Amino acid sequence: GAVVSQHPSRVICKSGTSVKIECRSLDFQATTMFWYRQFPKKSLMLMATSNEGSKATYEQGVEKDKFLINHASLTLSTLTVTSAHPEDSSFYICSAPRGGNYEQYFGPGTRLTVT
Amino acid sequence: GEDVEQSLFLSVREGDSSVINCTYTDSSSTYLYWYKQEPGAGLQLLTYIFSNMDMKQDQRLTVLLNKKDKHLSLRIADTQTGDSAIYFCAESINRDDKIIFGKGTRLHILP
Repeated sequence: GAVVSQHPSRVICKSGTSVKIECRSLDFQATTMFWYRQFPKKSLMLMATSNEGSKATYEQGVEKDKFLINHASLTLSTLTVTSAHPEDSSFYICSAPRGGNYEQYFGPGTRLTVT
Repeated sequence: GEDVEQSLFLSVREGDSSVINCTYTDSSSTYLYWYKQEPGAGLQLLTYIFSNMDMKQDQRLTVLLNKKDKHLSLRIADTQTGDSAIYFCAESINRDDKIIFGKGTRLHILP
């Protein structure tokens, strides 16, 4: 079946550094991918829509210069957390709609810890 | 705007039925979902219902939709310890569109 992967699954970084998270659709092409953020014991909050070949669409309140999104190909979107701070620590999840199918496929998530 | 509300916590005895309720505000929502998330894990789509349906049953799961009241429920029959998780109600306008999630209901199973 369709699978979406994320890499890395866990990452610890120091404050001020940047971290890149990859989201890949493994056996289908995705012109659109979505990035969500989940705080501990909280819901998933949509951060942005990643569009292949064009700029990402950010939700209100999400800093586009801090959370850089690049949809490099039809199977890969990356989220880069720039100048990370401890408050950026969170669980980041991507999803990709396959098209022609009701289900969006979610990645397993990336847990970011900023020290 | 879009909003999905659900109770935060539910405690049920093993073997009983669990009913998790959800309300949403966007009347243009076409797809309504229930996702399950176990501790430290990703999301698992449990079931979904189209807005033109009233009910959907899938083994132990029953979804009821009251479109007039924008109320969605998930019933889990014969609740087991393995059902312990957070259950998210969610909606989207189109199947390829962004999904809006509720805050999640933590289901706790009593022995």
